[in-house]
Amino acid sequence: DAGVIQSPRHEVTEMGQEVTLRCKPISGHNSLFWYRQTMMRGLELLIYFNNNVPIDDSGMPEDRFSAKMPNASFSTLKIQPSEPRDSAVYFCASSFRSQRGTETQYFGPGTRLLVL
Amino acid sequence: SQQGEEDPQALSIQEGENATMNCSYKTSINNLQWYRQNSGRGLVHLILIRSNEREKHSGRLRVTLDTSKKSSSLLITASRAADTASYFCASSGGSNYKLTFGKGTLLTVNP
Repeated sequence: DAGVIQSPRHEVTEMGQEVTLRCKPISGHNSLFWYRQTMMRGLELLIYFNNNVPIDDSGMPEDRFSAKMPNASFSTLKIQPSEPRDSAVYFCASSFRSQRGTETQYFGPGTRLLVL
Repeated sequence: SQQGEEDPQALSIQEGENATMNCSYKTSINNLQWYRQNSGRGLVHLILIRSNEREKHSGRLRVTLDTSKKSSSLLITASRAADTASYFCASSGGSNYKLTFGKGTLLTVNP
């Protein structure tokens, strides 16, 4: 399996521009997570999908952030308009949630976003 | 404050030595996991210990869990330069899907 795939790996944009991050989870996984990592705040959960449905979006910073999962093999995280404080590494992770709950999460390589 | 606080924040040792990292959490958990992150990469799952377990081994890794003290430790024996990375603990609580990560311990193993 190729693992979790994220694109782009690096993104440099100007303040006010729209940014779209993409994620392909591991085939067969039914849970998908978007995280943001910064030096100051560490790793923060932004949103969690189960069976393509958003279950918990309490970590989404504000209305400028939105996430979709139109099918089991694709998700996007969009920032519009982007601001310099959005600069961070964004990770997508997937896992299989069973009756016991969600256990091991498999992370993608991340998208390093810089907003100028 | 945040669950899954690692200690120390940074650790530097010589190759061949053992490395011990600690983690504390605040509320009851279902399991606790340890992840490794190499510079510029995503996190990689190392080991999971359930709330009813006290110790677990995987290769050169040994994890302990003390639920009475709400703490866990990760021991890496006979460290290698390739073990240089940041190590994170992540606690899984009542919701069963959410992992709460600490800020990590940066381990440097000098050759």
